[in-house]
Amino acid sequence: DTEVTQTPKHLVMGMTNKKSLKCEQHMGHRAMYWYKQKAKKPPELMFVYSYEKLSINESVPSRFSPECPNSSLLNLHLHALQPEDSALYLCASSHRALSNNYGYTFGSGTRLTVV
Amino acid sequence: AQKVTQAQTEISVVEKEDVTLDCVYETRDTTYYLFWYKQPPSGELVFLIRRNSFDEQNEISGRYSWNFQKSTSSFNFTITASQVVDSAVYFCALSETSGNQFYFGTGTSLTVIP
Repeated sequence: DTEVTQTPKHLVMGMTNKKSLKCEQHMGHRAMYWYKQKAKKPPELMFVYSYEKLSINESVPSRFSPECPNSSLLNLHLHALQPEDSALYLCASSHRALSNNYGYTFGSGTRLTVV
Repeated sequence: AQKVTQAQTEISVVEKEDVTLDCVYETRDTTYYLFWYKQPPSGELVFLIRRNSFDEQNEISGRYSWNFQKSTSSFNFTITASQVVDSAVYFCALSETSGNQFYFGTGTSLTVIP
């Protein structure tokens, strides 16, 4: 299995809703990432988990709450989002967080629309 | 300063034409890694190639080829005999051994016209 699986593929939520994005990989990778990508822009790093521990938070607002229940799963809990948070949210994994030399495997993303 | 520069924002070519996507990077590390990713309209980022700083050999994979030149800090990507399925946004990226970040360029949107 060489894939990163993200669910759901599309999500529409209101500003008062609580929802979660899920990401799963079974490649034995010990680093997992959340990226946010706006249209026509490159992905922007949000969070890095290394060995199930949060190692990098790129000053992301607290309405985004990551969680890594085990080495294969990564969640992103969403609460009280704003319309400007609408974007493609990409999950990625790699062998180790502090050695990105093999690149990342990306999921196909969740297209989030906040109304 | 931008670590990875992709000066071409959008390119359109007619099917079967060759096209080169430019990538210029900036780093002080002696060991680093360069990547190209393809992002089709469906959204996923597809890994195309990884090249380390000590390997300047050009690489060819089917219709794809890459030209790595340390002297000009460039890692250009050429698609030969382009096809409609090549239409996508292509990102060049840099990974430095001194840090734990993955630096993306701003991407080049390629449209292949049938």
